[in-house]
Amino acid sequence: QKEVEQNSGPLSVPEGAIASLNCTYSDRGSQSFFWYRQYSGKSPELIMSIYSNGDKEDGRFTAQLNKASQYVSLLIRDSQPSDSATYLCAVKENFGNEKLTFGTGTRLTIIP
Amino acid sequence: EPEVTQTPSHQVTQMGQEVILRCVPISNHLYFYWYRQILGQKVEFLVSFYNNEISEKSEIFDDQFSVERPDGSNFTLKIRSTKLEDSAMYFCASFRGMNTEAFFGQGTRLTVV
Repeated sequence: QKEVEQNSGPLSVPEGAIASLNCTYSDRGSQSFFWYRQYSGKSPELIMSIYSNGDKEDGRFTAQLNKASQYVSLLIRDSQPSDSATYLCAVKENFGNEKLTFGTGTRLTIIP
Repeated sequence: EPEVTQTPSHQVTQMGQEVILRCVPISNHLYFYWYRQILGQKVEFLVSFYNNEISEKSEIFDDQFSVERPDGSNFTLKIRSTKLEDSAMYFCASFRGMNTEAFFGQGTRLTVV
């Protein structure tokens, strides 16, 4: 059973601070990693994708991947109240099995 | 910007009835998914579809479920005889190929009464 683990939170961060979200995965064959944001009652919205070890930055968001440790993280700089949502980590193999496996999500609250 | 669209946004049905949930994936995407999310729970994989056939399905996707691509654009999920526990948000997603991102539709909230 392939597992994607996240701390369910809630994680509370003051406005303007850095929010750090973590995810671990069990399947060493995983090749693609994604962070989605989900507001209550809405669908997952893609924020970042990362495919190789290291950091990838996009605006206020930085994804970090360490395949040796089977660990992926998301940093949100200058957190805004609109960043309050559940953040879903999702993992995919690229060997004919294209299923996305989701973690349970971390609920993030930005405190004004 | 291209997007995945789902209809209806909300469907209420009586237990035992058949429902069809519809999705229009992004036009140049080749891979399609259905996921569901029971209220307060995680996003769960149901089925993936490629080249007009199912490529993988989960244990949830039993004989009551089926998927079709009836024309070149629509992608449907049918539940033959709904149960109370089928009440959930159902999401369609599509992506172009390997090493690409999957984009989700806005979802259909299915309520079985």
